[in-house]
Amino acid sequence: DQQVKQNSPSLSVQEGRISILNCDYTNSMFDYFLWYKKYPAEGPTFLISISSIKDKNEDGRFTVFLNKSAKHLSLHIVPSQPGDSAVYFCAVRSGNTGKLIFGQGTTLQVKP
Amino acid sequence: DTAVSQTPKYLVTQMGNDKSIKCEQNLGHDTMYWYKQDSKKFLKIMFSYNNKELIINETVPNRFSPKSPDKAHLNLHINSLELGDSAVYFCASSHGTGRTNQPQHFGDGTRLSIL
Repeated sequence: DQQVKQNSPSLSVQEGRISILNCDYTNSMFDYFLWYKKYPAEGPTFLISISSIKDKNEDGRFTVFLNKSAKHLSLHIVPSQPGDSAVYFCAVRSGNTGKLIFGQGTTLQVKP
Repeated sequence: DTAVSQTPKYLVTQMGNDKSIKCEQNLGHDTMYWYKQDSKKFLKIMFSYNNKELIINETVPNRFSPKSPDKAHLNLHINSLELGDSAVYFCASSHGTGRTNQPQHFGDGTRLSIL
C-alpha cells in the first residue's frame, strides 16, 4: 500500500519553461517533506524540503508547495534547464526515527 | 571529498553465496541507513543505526544483517543470496533522527545482480 505516490512517471518540458512535479500522500500525520533529485548511476541528492507548518518554501529556481488539506506536494522549477533532466523523488518523514518513505519518482526531461 | 561512499559499486554473484556491502561517511553524521531500490524503482528503508544502535528494522529477511562498528560505518551482510535480492542498495547518513530537519545524504549505490 503506497503511502506516497507520484502519479506521473515522466514529464517533458521545454528549456526556460516551468516544470511542475506532483506528489500525493495518505497520512495527515506526516510532518516533513523532501524532494530529491537523482541522476543515472548516482545516489539521490537532496534538493529542497518543507515542514508541515509552512505551505511554501523557495530556494532559487526551486519552490515546493504543500497543500495539507489535499495531502498534496508539488515542486516547481522555473526556468527549467537541460541540466535539470533527472529523476525526482518526493519523500515524507514518518515517525521519530528519521525513516523516509519515497514516491516512485518522476523522470523529468528538459529539452533545449 | 566529504561524502557517503559505498563499495563495491557493482556486485555480481551466484545464488546461495554470502556477500557484504560496505558504507562509510565522513560527514560527521551520527545516523546511517540502508535503502533498497527494487526493479520498480521504489526506494525502501531497510535499516537505520544511530550512534551504533539499531533504530529502524523494517520487515527484512533475517538473511540481511547490518553491522555498525562505529558511527562512520554501516555495513550490510547478506547470507544465502536469492534472485529477489537483485536490486540497487543505497547507504545514507544524516545528523540525528526524527525531529531534526536534517536531510539524508546518499551514496551512489551498489548494484547487486544475482545469477
